[in-house]
Amino acid sequence: GAGVSQSPSNKVTEKGKDVELRCDPISGHTALYWYRQSLGQGLEFLIYFQGNSAPDKSGLPSDRFSAERTGGSVSTLTIQRTQQEDSAVYLCASSLERWTKNIQYFGAGTRLSVL
Amino acid sequence: KNQVEQSPQSLIILEGKNCTLQCNYTVSPFSNLRWYKQDTGRGPVSLTIMTFSENTKSNGRYTATLDADTKQSSLHITASQLSDSASYICVVSSASGGSYIPTFGRGTSLIVHP
Repeated sequence: GAGVSQSPSNKVTEKGKDVELRCDPISGHTALYWYRQSLGQGLEFLIYFQGNSAPDKSGLPSDRFSAERTGGSVSTLTIQRTQQEDSAVYLCASSLERWTKNIQYFGAGTRLSVL
Repeated sequence: KNQVEQSPQSLIILEGKNCTLQCNYTVSPFSNLRWYKQDTGRGPVSLTIMTFSENTKSNGRYTATLDADTKQSSLHITASQLSDSASYICVVSSASGGSYIPTFGRGTSLIVHP
């Protein structure tokens, strides 16, 4: 595709429900990143994939968060038993190769609201 | 603790004027420093990427500088336009065993008035 695509663009859920957020990176990009941006806060790094592997998962805020990437392409971020503090914009980015010197291209994000 | 501090927090300027945004960091070991522009409701867009050995990088009307000794960076915007109104985010990345460790500033909110 032309850019990084995220779905859904908006998600409203009830506290305690599970949600799944999807990211389609730019075709051919081997590196994929998930970030979170809370209202009035800066960006927060969650996890990075090189291919299908995530070298470091320590950025995930709790064990309710998990992410996977299959086929070196689409990635899903799953939040189990959502809490109100999970409300934020979840951003995905991809880059041609590993993160050190490549431009990251961001999607428009998924705005998650937990009621 | 790795930190990135940006100043000012917000800035209002008139169209056509120049401005400079600041980024101070305490990130170690240093890998690269990036400036992003984020329009309201959109994802960030990369402006510049600088490694340790680079001290200036330009992208159109945007010029970033890096002083690795003082751990400071600046983003200079020349002849500002209304479309420059956005949040500008400084991100400093570190490396540990190949892992990606970014530290984000809170951003500077720039408003350009006609």
